[in-house]
Amino acid sequence: AQKITQTQPGMFVQEKEAVTLDCTYDTSDPSYGLFWYKQPSSGEMIFLIYQGSYDQQNATEGRYSLNFQKARKSANLVISASQLGDSAMYFCAMREGRNAGKSTFGDGTTLTVKP
Amino acid sequence: GAVVSQHPSWVICKSGTSVKIECRSLDFQATTMFWYRQFPKQSLMLMATSNEGSKATYEQGVEKDKFLINHASLTLSTLTVTSAHPEDSSFYICSAPMSLALETQYFGPGTRLLVL
Repeated sequence: AQKITQTQPGMFVQEKEAVTLDCTYDTSDPSYGLFWYKQPSSGEMIFLIYQGSYDQQNATEGRYSLNFQKARKSANLVISASQLGDSAMYFCAMREGRNAGKSTFGDGTTLTVKP
Repeated sequence: GAVVSQHPSWVICKSGTSVKIECRSLDFQATTMFWYRQFPKQSLMLMATSNEGSKATYEQGVEKDKFLINHASLTLSTLTVTSAHPEDSSFYICSAPMSLALETQYFGPGTRLLVL
């Protein structure tokens, strides 16, 4: 079974609107971390936000927030007030246990922000 | 600024040659680094874990004789693609976690390899 599932290959959003990118995960390890990365056409992986499995509150970083629903094993990324520069590929990833850095990635969602 | 660098950013080589890619952590020591490969419009796939002072750990299906990894120091890991073939053409990315901030791993800018 796939450990990280991103069901939206492509998404469109109007500039200045909010958008939610879906991510579900599968693990039996009680200790894990969930990440979202942005990959523009240049290829670099840009860290956006992190949520630990024991964190009580949803993570937020500026315009990015993570809607963490532990019982449903979902970790959706919400981008508020979309900007043209947000157009990129977005990856959800999971680290299991304390194995820092060894992450499993989803297939990604291509987000296009329309003017 | 960047905390992990990679060199080169682009390489084109002939089939049968070997290519070395360097990954350096800047301003921090990384006893562990990770090498990923990404084909166009696909996800990142972990190839191997590079361990300073010991052998690398390879993921299932990755040929260790084909992809040689050397973690020569606490700030440098190298990936050598030996006898490269066109099917090895890909985007190779390294990452390094900062040990004091386990929730964050930093990625290098990546190396695009094209084998003719």
